[in-house]
Amino acid sequence: AAGVIQSPRHLIKEKRETATLKCYPIPRHDTVYWYQQGPGQDPQFLISFYEKMQSDKGSIPDRFSAQQFSDYHSELNMSSLELGDSALYFCASSFTKANSGNTIYFGEGSWLTVV
Amino acid sequence: AQSVTQLDSQVPVFEEAPVELRCNYSSSVSVYLFWYVQYPNQGLQLLLKYLSGSTLVKGINGFEAEFNKSQTSFHLRKPSVHISDTAEYFCAVSEIRGFQKLVFGTGTRLLVSP
Repeated sequence: AAGVIQSPRHLIKEKRETATLKCYPIPRHDTVYWYQQGPGQDPQFLISFYEKMQSDKGSIPDRFSAQQFSDYHSELNMSSLELGDSALYFCASSFTKANSGNTIYFGEGSWLTVV
Repeated sequence: AQSVTQLDSQVPVFEEAPVELRCNYSSSVSVYLFWYVQYPNQGLQLLLKYLSGSTLVKGINGFEAEFNKSQTSFHLRKPSVHISDTAEYFCAVSEIRGFQKLVFGTGTRLLVSP
């Protein structure tokens, strides 16, 4: 079965540069989530989109922005990168229905290293 | 808001021994409960989930978990572990209503040795 696809898998950027991560959700999934997992940390929720509209926002820095496109893929844009942004960035998707207990499926993650 | 507490940051165990990874949660609303596993340098894989019904939930790889509402716990168990079970295990919750983002615990590293 198709899974959540993330690209690139690895990315090295210098401080103050910009990075863009892409996410292709499982077909027919209508909700996309972005998480950040620092070294030795638990995943922290950044932002989510439902039907291309932002549905929830977590601890996402103002330097970061995201959107979901008409084909449901999503991009996370990170500007003015800092060393502390080095982390594993997960995209996840689900098929949201009220009270349905939708399962959230994660991609393999994109490793961002800021040097 | 919800929070998840995994009291054990690391659990060492010998191969073929039983193991229990503890998870307690706090929430003012009803939640769903999940366990995810993360193998080294890999993504998050769903082990099992509790939505409703039977409080004993069976998942993949021989794992099971029991939901205890009165103790707000969702402990993960396996009767006999393998070396290949060495990984980081995350307990997570999401609200039943609304957009169900996951809130994770800090994780428990299971170390299985021969």
